Amino acid sequence: EIVLTQSPGTLSLSPGERATLSCRASQSVSSNYLAWYQLKPGQAPRLLIYDASNRATGTPDRFSGSGSGTDFTLTINRLEPEDFAVYFCQQYGRSPRTFGQGTKVEIK
Amino acid sequence: QVQLQESGPGLVKPSETLSLTCTVSGGSFSSYYWSWIRQSPGKGLEWIGYVYYSGSTNYNPSLESRVTISIDTSKNQFSLKLTSLTAADTAVYYCGRDQHSGRPAAFEIWGLGTMVTVSS
Repeated sequence: EIVLTQSPGTLSLSPGERATLSCRASQSVSSNYLAWYQLKPGQAPRLLIYDASNRATGTPDRFSGSGSGTDFTLTINRLEPEDFAVYFCQQYGRSPRTFGQGTKVEIK
Repeated sequence: QVQLQESGPGLVKPSETLSLTCTVSGGSFSSYYWSWIRQSPGKGLEWIGYVYYSGSTNYNPSLESRVTISIDTSKNQFSLKLTSLTAADTAVYYCGRDQHSGRPAAFEIWGLGTMVTVSS
């Protein structure tokens, strides 16, 4: 199975700063079938980015995804208070679908 | 819009079988892949498997010997059965729907999740 490694584990930033989250795959992700999700306590996970770089419906444009092959990045420009959460990457190009272990973006 | 709601017991005993149901409301049930995903305390997310509206399934090999996912289109529900439970199966269980069928897709819609604790 494809193992996804996210870094850093925790990112401590202030509102207004930029967050850069990394997701590295153990082998190439087919057709860049990679997604990013936001997870907050008590809420349903929210799809932010699909196919590595496409924003899902309702995703603010301060969120952007990039990368290909084995290295992917989620960038959040100008962090808003509601952006402090845990973010997961996930590949769906090969079964089993797998997730990274998550990056927590916390308020500094 | 489409909404998903998980239901089932919050506490189950070791060695028993977990049964969860996901009820789909507000949209079409057909032509999508419907998945179960879980998150163990302090750990990441794990895809358990999916069922297609036609009834075909695909499971994570790590759980395949203990998992059955089925669908009841007349009730707009799909279900998870996980046998031989241990404490390692303690997790929040989510149901989810792909963005679309026809090619691999991300999970566009999720339920709120239901916490399941395995303990005697």
